[in-house]
Amino acid sequence: DSGVTQTPKHLITATGQRVTLRCSPRSGDLSVYWYQQSLDQGLQFLIQYYNGEERAKGNILERFSAQQFPDLHSELNLSSLELGDSALYFCASSVVDRVYTGELFFGEGSRLTVL
Amino acid sequence: EDQVTQSPEALRLQEGESSSLNCSYTVSGLRGLFWYRQDPGKGPEFLFTLYSAGEEKEKERLKATLTKKESFLHITAPKPEDSATYLCAVLRDDKIIFGKGTRLHILP
Repeated sequence: DSGVTQTPKHLITATGQRVTLRCSPRSGDLSVYWYQQSLDQGLQFLIQYYNGEERAKGNILERFSAQQFPDLHSELNLSSLELGDSALYFCASSVVDRVYTGELFFGEGSRLTVL
Repeated sequence: EDQVTQSPEALRLQEGESSSLNCSYTVSGLRGLFWYRQDPGKGPEFLFTLYSAGEEKEKERLKATLTKKESFLHITAPKPEDSATYLCAVLRDDKIIFGKGTRLHILP
């Protein structure tokens, strides 16, 4: 158990809908990272927050947004969903904002299916 | 562009049959290369960090090595519980960028 909690574990929705994925980082970790994993693209970095501030941005679509709240949990909002958004969405956390050791702690992911 | 390329995509080995997984990278000025293990239905789990060519790290049956252009994950006398997807990643622009992984299956 990494200590990172993600909800929901599974989510099925329709095209055009909006969903929110939630992540609670490990106790004491200030950074939260969101990744998308699909079969063809692998694990793609979306966005990072550190202590409530956006720290780094990757290949995140404009239809997607995220935030980190004062209690350090984070939410990833996906809107106007398309079939291609079906994927596993992982949250990871770390203590610091620059993970030069490469050690991220991943949750078990939220599996999104868009029908 | 591909920053991290892993090969092979999938590998099946008999229990006890040693082999190596490859990770080649194109990031200039490498600041860190990382190996993770991912079990089906789970999030990736951190294994190793390598910083400079010639560096090696070991953990049980796994040994990671680094050259100037690639890294190898050597698996010695693997057991069925070593079956997983092994992911390689690099630090680029303060982001951790992953390869697509190698799916390893160890047959008993």
